[in-house]
Amino acid sequence: QKEVEQDPGPLSVPEGAIVSLNCTYSNSAFQYFMWYRQYSRKGPELLMYTYSSGNKEDGRFTAQVDKSSKYISLFIRDSQPSDSATYLCAMAYGGATNKLIFGTGTLLAVQP
Amino acid sequence: GAVVSQHPSWVICKSGTSVKIECRSLDFQATTMFWYRQFPKQSLMLMATSNEGSKATYEQGVEKDKFLINHASLTLSTLTVTSAHPEDSSFYICSAGQSSTDTQYFGPGTRLTVL
Repeated sequence: QKEVEQDPGPLSVPEGAIVSLNCTYSNSAFQYFMWYRQYSRKGPELLMYTYSSGNKEDGRFTAQVDKSSKYISLFIRDSQPSDSATYLCAMAYGGATNKLIFGTGTLLAVQP
Repeated sequence: GAVVSQHPSWVICKSGTSVKIECRSLDFQATTMFWYRQFPKQSLMLMATSNEGSKATYEQGVEKDKFLINHASLTLSTLTVTSAHPEDSSFYICSAGQSSTDTQYFGPGTRLTVL
């Protein structure tokens, strides 16, 4: 069993839709949770970083962590074609500057 | 946010040659840098952790004699792929941790093609 599971998609939605991306994990020792966005042939870009269970909002993005269920989510409101990319969840044991364990990534396509 | 650069952005080489990839943190010092490899439509797989002034720590299954890592300063880490073969063709991405923000920033990646 992989430490981090993520549906690879692809996920196709119309412009303006609410997008829900999810990851599950097996190791309860993970304490730090991140979402990265990666455009084709580019390096990952940090979108959201959370530590505790609950919600964190930044503009159109909301990250949700449920440690009891070992489940994290990223919601994108009012999705735009420019949001089309691969979204990677990542987790760490002891701080985000330490070794990250990535999910497989979900390919998102927002149709205009 | 902080910036991490990589050079070159892409390289094509012949089988059997060695290729060096540089990773620089441009506006912050990074005690630790990481090297990842990403095959098409797959996620990032950590290859090794590069520590300034000490030997790198390699992940299981990664040959340390083939992927030489040097972290000579707090802003520069290099990855040398020695005696490259076509199966080493991949997208190599580095990252650097910024302690003040507890954030890991990624470089733009280097696409290596071995003929």
